[in-house]
Formats: sequence, structure tokens, C-alpha cells
Amino acid sequence: DQQVKQNSPSLSVQEGRISILNCDYTNSMFDYFLWYKKYPAEGPTFLISISSIKDKNEDGRFTVFLNKSAKHLSLHIVPSQPGDSAVYFCAASAENSGYALNFGKGTSLLVTP
Amino acid sequence: EADIYQTPRYLVIGTGKKITLECSQTMGHDKMYWYQQDPGMELHLIHYSYGVNSTEKGDLSSESTVSRIRTEHFPLTLESARPSHTSQYLCASGPLGSGREDEQYFGPGTRLTVT
Repeated sequence: DQQVKQNSPSLSVQEGRISILNCDYTNSMFDYFLWYKKYPAEGPTFLISISSIKDKNEDGRFTVFLNKSAKHLSLHIVPSQPGDSAVYFCAASAENSGYALNFGKGTSLLVTP
Repeated sequence: EADIYQTPRYLVIGTGKKITLECSQTMGHDKMYWYQQDPGMELHLIHYSYGVNSTEKGDLSSESTVSRIRTEHFPLTLESARPSHTSQYLCASGPLGSGREDEQYFGPGTRLTVT
């Protein structure tokens, strides 16, 4: 049973606008939530994370929001740039499982000029 | 900058062959992981290790085996490759006990095709 879900397989955004990628999870034991960016033929690259004790974490153009009651998190990219075009994976981990990552299926973001 | 390496990057091999996918990291990380990913799907954990001589099976059943004789090295072996093993295999590592347990660094992956 998939514990991390990304229900939008793709998203297209115009350059300069905000990109919002969404993620839902089912396991209340998750301690950390992460976003990874992946280009074709490369491994995922860590982007930003948030601990379950926080509801927001910001790093430059990237902000992750966590709503524990709704078991929902989102990644905001603003302003979006063409170089942001990639597949974005949401992942979650729990201390009681060695912080192994549970991944969503990914959302393919296309930022058009 | 994360330093984690996987070889080979691409491998096409016939059914029944034994193969070993290599993974090495130079960051001194205790934790290492192997994930399997099919196109358009999520990454599935198949093996992980907390340190030397520690290996555990992940959520996804796999016919592969792993070993961890040295901290920096975490090879994955398939004794007899089958077409169902065709996939991308991603190795990752992460620090233990540093307050950064949430981060994992990935290698570039090995794309395996079994004919």
C-alpha cells in the first residue's frame, strides 16, 4: 500500500510564476518529509526537507509547507525558472524504520519561457 | 557536494548471468540504501545498512543480496538475472546521529536491462 502519494503526474507553469507541488501521506509515524528533484538518467538530488515539528521551511526560492492534521505537504517554487523543469519526488521517513525513504511517484514539472 | 558513485551506469545482460552492481561513497556515511525504480513509478527500498556487517531487507521483496564489509562500499548482487529484474537501481547514503538523519544522497543509478 502506497504511503506517500503525489496525485498530479505533471504540472506546467510559466516562467516567473509560482509552482505548487502537492503530496499526501498516510503514515502518522513519519518524522521527516523531503523533496527530491530528478533529471533523466541521474539520481535524485535532495532539495529541501521539513521535520514533523515544523509547519514551514524556506530555502531561497523553495518553501515546503506541512499540514500534519491533513497529512499533506506542498512544495512552492517562486519564481519558477526553466531550469526547474524536472521530476519532483516527495518522500517521507520515520525514525523507527531507520529513516528509509518512502517515495511518491513523482510530479513532472515543466516551466515554460 | 555529495560523493557517491555507482558502476556500471548502464548494463545489458542475458538471462541467468550473475551480476554485481557497485556503490561507493566517500563521505563516511554509516547508512546506505538500495532503491529500485521502474519508469514513472516511485522508488522502492530493497536493502539498507546501518554500518559494517549490518544489512536489512527493505519493503520491496527482492531476489538480490547485499554486503557491507567496508563503510564506503555497498554492492548489490543478483545471482541469476531475469527479465523481471530490468529496472533502474539507485544507491544512497546518509549520516547517522548527526541531526541530519533526514537527508540521503543518491548516486547516479544503474540502468539494468536483462534480455
